Amino acid sequence: SQTIHQWPATLVQPVGSPLSLECTVEGTSNPNLYWYRQAAGRGLQLLFYSVGIGQISSEVPQNLSASRPQDRQFILSSKKLLLSDSGFYLCAWRAQGSSNQPQHFGDGTRLSIL
Amino acid sequence: GDSVTQMEGPVTLSEEAFLTINCTYTATGYPSLFWYVQYPGEGLQLLLKATKADDKGSNKGFEATYRKETTSFHLEKGSVQVSDSAVYFCALTGYSTLTFGKGTMLLVSP
Repeated sequence: SQTIHQWPATLVQPVGSPLSLECTVEGTSNPNLYWYRQAAGRGLQLLFYSVGIGQISSEVPQNLSASRPQDRQFILSSKKLLLSDSGFYLCAWRAQGSSNQPQHFGDGTRLSIL
Repeated sequence: GDSVTQMEGPVTLSEEAFLTINCTYTATGYPSLFWYVQYPGEGLQLLLKATKADDKGSNKGFEATYRKETTSFHLEKGSVQVSDSAVYFCALTGYSTLTFGKGTMLLVSP
């Protein structure tokens, strides 16, 4: 069966520091991969998605970036964090070519910026 | 573009009460529809899905019917439990992405 892993589960970082959040999927090949942010008490905001290695689509302009160095690895990064980057970050995957199928989510990373 | 509208929360119910959370959508074509649940501090879990008109998705006592004529996918449960307290998201498929509603918080008291 397929599983998705995100780490770390929680992270506290100072303003201006760099960020790297990692997400990996097991048990499937060539998945679509997604990064979302959820601010406290609010809905989901799609940040990036990827349909293949090295292919990244950005949904909103911001100081975050994403990379997909391997088929089942998706990384969210920042060079200098802002206070507004605080939130709950969720990674998700969906099988390639199955537009009527759901996305499956990881357990999330709670990021606090001090 | 595609959009999903959910009722504002929180919805506050007593245990064993009947639950309805409204969801309506706007989309081109024939999307699949989903309900996700998010328990406090956790990621989203798929609760149920429907892939075509008149399909009924069901899971853990929750049900939702894909109504194309009213562009709706309302979530229902006959008797809620305290453990159902969570945020519920309605969503529909696009080609590569999902469009989510803003979520509805459900609070169930004993």
